[in-house]
Amino acid sequence: NAGVMQNPRHLVRRRGQEARLRCSPMKGHSHVYWYRQLPEEGLKFMVYLQKENIIDESGMPKERFSAEFPKEGPSILRIQQVVRGDSAAYFCASSRTGEHEQYFGPGTRLTVT
Amino acid sequence: GENVEQHPSTLSVQEGDSAVIKCTYSDSASNYFPWYKQELGKRPQLIIDIRSNVGEKKDQRIAVTLNKTAKHFSLHITETQPEDSAVYFCAASPRLNSGYALNFGKGTSLLVTP
Repeated sequence: NAGVMQNPRHLVRRRGQEARLRCSPMKGHSHVYWYRQLPEEGLKFMVYLQKENIIDESGMPKERFSAEFPKEGPSILRIQQVVRGDSAAYFCASSRTGEHEQYFGPGTRLTVT
Repeated sequence: GENVEQHPSTLSVQEGDSAVIKCTYSDSASNYFPWYKQELGKRPQLIIDIRSNVGEKKDQRIAVTLNKTAKHFSLHITETQPEDSAVYFCAASPRLNSGYALNFGKGTSLLVTP
């Protein structure tokens, strides 16, 4: 049973470009959470999604950031017009319905130059 | 919203000693408290968790205690080994529309010296 998959593992973007981060949950998991980790800091909740639904996006910046989890395919976190402050590690986690345990992917390290 | 505070931010112990990390939370609706271990450049890994209807849970050298009245919970690692060196994060979670978004502490960097 493959774990949570994320790609790409490393992403370099110039200021003003778009970044697309992908997350495939574990088999049997229908809940996806995205977290951001700034250097030497904890993880900050961004958004929680189920298939075709955004359940809670209270941690997501109001502008430039969006997320989706389509019926088919991975969940995608999209950052438009990236700025240097977006440089961070972005982790997704998944869980089963009704279960607390969240399992994390390896993360995508975004560097904005 | 939930606010989780974690102490200490760094902890250095000698191999074989015990290590204790403490967290407090603010939202009385929180009912799930996991601990994650993160090695440098790696993903956070769930090492132990506790639910609000339990006061203590143990798994080999790792134990977690929860005091709901005082809103604090702690991680205890006994007989520490160099491979325990990592950053440890506590988290708290209220149930949220059938899911459980985690609010993390800022982490404790644990160093176990031989």
